[in-house]
Amino acid sequence: DADVTQTPRNRITKTGKRIMLECSQTKGHDRMYWYRQDPGLGLRLIYYSFDVKDINKGEISDGYSVSRQAQAKFSLSLESAIPNQTALYFCATRGDLDEQYFGPGTRLTVT
Amino acid sequence: LAKTTQPISMDSYEGQEVNITCSHNNIATNDYITWYQQFPSQGPRFIIQGYKTKVTNEVASLFIPADRKSSTLSLPRVSLSDTAVYYCLVGDRLDNQGGKLIFGQGTELSVKP
Repeated sequence: DADVTQTPRNRITKTGKRIMLECSQTKGHDRMYWYRQDPGLGLRLIYYSFDVKDINKGEISDGYSVSRQAQAKFSLSLESAIPNQTALYFCATRGDLDEQYFGPGTRLTVT
Repeated sequence: LAKTTQPISMDSYEGQEVNITCSHNNIATNDYITWYQQFPSQGPRFIIQGYKTKVTNEVASLFIPADRKSSTLSLPRVSLSDTAVYYCLVGDRLDNQGGKLIFGQGTELSVKP
């Protein structure tokens, strides 16, 4: 079984809809991250969390919110989706040696 | 966080050794150098990490000169399955920004038969 899982894997939604992307991990890591990737660009950090009580904004947090329900779960929400939020979204955890473990990604399309 | 510069793309043939160099002139004393591999529509995968000199694992080698202003990822005898984007990142393991990784555009490696 994968260490970091994301649901859904693909989602098409309409402008203005609220949508939640979920991430679960079995690695026991405290630190979790949400990134988005756009064609031709690297990954950009949206939010990160040190533990269930610690949430921090990344470089592109506007239009997004997160919830750390437990050590193993970190959800990303788009309160009112817009077309330029169409992207590939990755969740990741961070190990003690600074290595990050990424989930398989969620491909989100906002029409 | 130190900025990194890599070639946008590289071509190689099966069986060859591939060396991808990354420049990081502003690397700080506490920074480590980490490389990730990403296949299309998949999340990046950790390959190797080092601080100085040379590090080798079952996948690759990482060469870091004494001044640490650059590093070279070496992939021995590449195969078609090594076709991917390779990212070089520099950062402090314990930095106050939560260890966030700054991913540049990476190097798109294409391995041909």
